[in-house]
Amino acid sequence: RKEVEQDPGPFNVPEGATVAFNCTYSNSASQSFFWYRQDCRKEPKLLMSVYSSGNEDGRFTAQLNRASQYISLLIRDSKLSDSATYLCVVVRSGGYNKLIFGAGTRLAVHP
Amino acid sequence: DAGVIQSPRHEVTEMGQEVTLRCKPISGHNSLFWYRQTMMRGLELLIYFNNNVPIDDSGMPEDRFSAKMPNASFSTLKIQPSEPRDSAVYFCASSLRQGVYQPQHFGDGTRLSIL
Repeated sequence: RKEVEQDPGPFNVPEGATVAFNCTYSNSASQSFFWYRQDCRKEPKLLMSVYSSGNEDGRFTAQLNRASQYISLLIRDSKLSDSATYLCVVVRSGGYNKLIFGAGTRLAVHP
Repeated sequence: DAGVIQSPRHEVTEMGQEVTLRCKPISGHNSLFWYRQTMMRGLELLIYFNNNVPIDDSGMPEDRFSAKMPNASFSTLKIQPSEPRDSAVYFCASSLRQGVYQPQHFGDGTRLSIL
């Protein structure tokens, strides 16, 4: 079983739709969580951190459920420019902060 | 500010050849990471340097891969001899320091094709 699991998608949604991505992780000792965004043929870029209390950044909301070891990302009012692959990232502590990347969920927003 | 700079952007070579990928981290960052990304395996950490010293090389696939960081502003990842299964995108990333989590900043990557 992979340490970080994501639904690969693709999610094909119309502009304006709300879409949610889920991610599960297996290491209960993980302390920090992030969503990265990767555009086609580009490098990964940090989108947002994920906190237990949930956090929002404009149209994006991230949630963490430690008990279920589950992370989510909600995108409201999807834009064409949101089309990308969204990578769930878990930081494995111990020695140093090692990023463990999920395989990513592809999102395609169409007109 | 310049970001992480990688070269070359693309490399196409025949199997058996030596391949050298280069990375210049962001000035002042003392943590450097090499990653490999493929469709099958996603993004995997190959090696992590802190203050120019290799800390974790458990992700390096085999002896054909080696990485060096001779100074704070330069690192190389070498594959010798290269094989078709090494074809992937190789990313270099740097961050300010470990201990307290700092975001990793990725370079544009090197797209490597081994024929």
